[in-house]
Amino acid sequence: GQQLNQSPQSMFIQEGEDVSMNCTSSSIFNTWLWYKQEPGEGPVLLIALYKAGELTSNGRLTAQFGITRKDSFLNISASIPSDVGIYFCAGQRGSYNTDKLIFGTGTRLQVFP
Amino acid sequence: NAGVTQTPKFQVLKTGQSMTLQCAQDMNHNSMYWYRQDPGMGLRLIYYSASEGTTDKGEVPNGYNVSRLNKREFSLRLESAAPSQTSVYFCASSRGGGADTQYFGPGTRLTVL
Repeated sequence: GQQLNQSPQSMFIQEGEDVSMNCTSSSIFNTWLWYKQEPGEGPVLLIALYKAGELTSNGRLTAQFGITRKDSFLNISASIPSDVGIYFCAGQRGSYNTDKLIFGTGTRLQVFP
Repeated sequence: NAGVTQTPKFQVLKTGQSMTLQCAQDMNHNSMYWYRQDPGMGLRLIYYSASEGTTDKGEVPNGYNVSRLNKREFSLRLESAAPSQTSVYFCASSRGGGADTQYFGPGTRLTVL
């Protein structure tokens, strides 16, 4: 089945650094979502994007819906230790009868103090 | 308002045993989903229910059955567990009707020996 290509697979950064990750697909999506998963928990929604070119922020997080509709980007500014976790992108084609999500393989983020 | 709840949190089975994973949501959502998460694979959709009374196969349905008991509850059954079904299982729900945000439960960690 289709999965989204997410990169990088993992990142090890110093507290205070900025982080960038991206997600690409061979298909067009109408919605892009970014989730964060902490150990032992389910994914939690961070940002939802609904229009091509849209740029949305949530605190130190900023995400963009690529203009081609085939990619999305997530940036975290001034990282802190609690940013540690796995970040997943997910795309929806937004068809009428279903909300099925297709997930990326995740970016594991480690932040060192 | 507990959101999405799952039971049990952990389970160990022997090959060939059966069990049912329970999921309930209190957000009055129409759509519910079951995913499995394996290392390096992201989340893959097993089955989903777009509305009460309907269920459909996702990406990896083999070896599983589901029941949408009522609007709140969506259970996942393994009739004859296999080691390949060792995974973390997540239930999710959404309002339904098109592109929509999914909310996840805390997960069930299943080991099949």
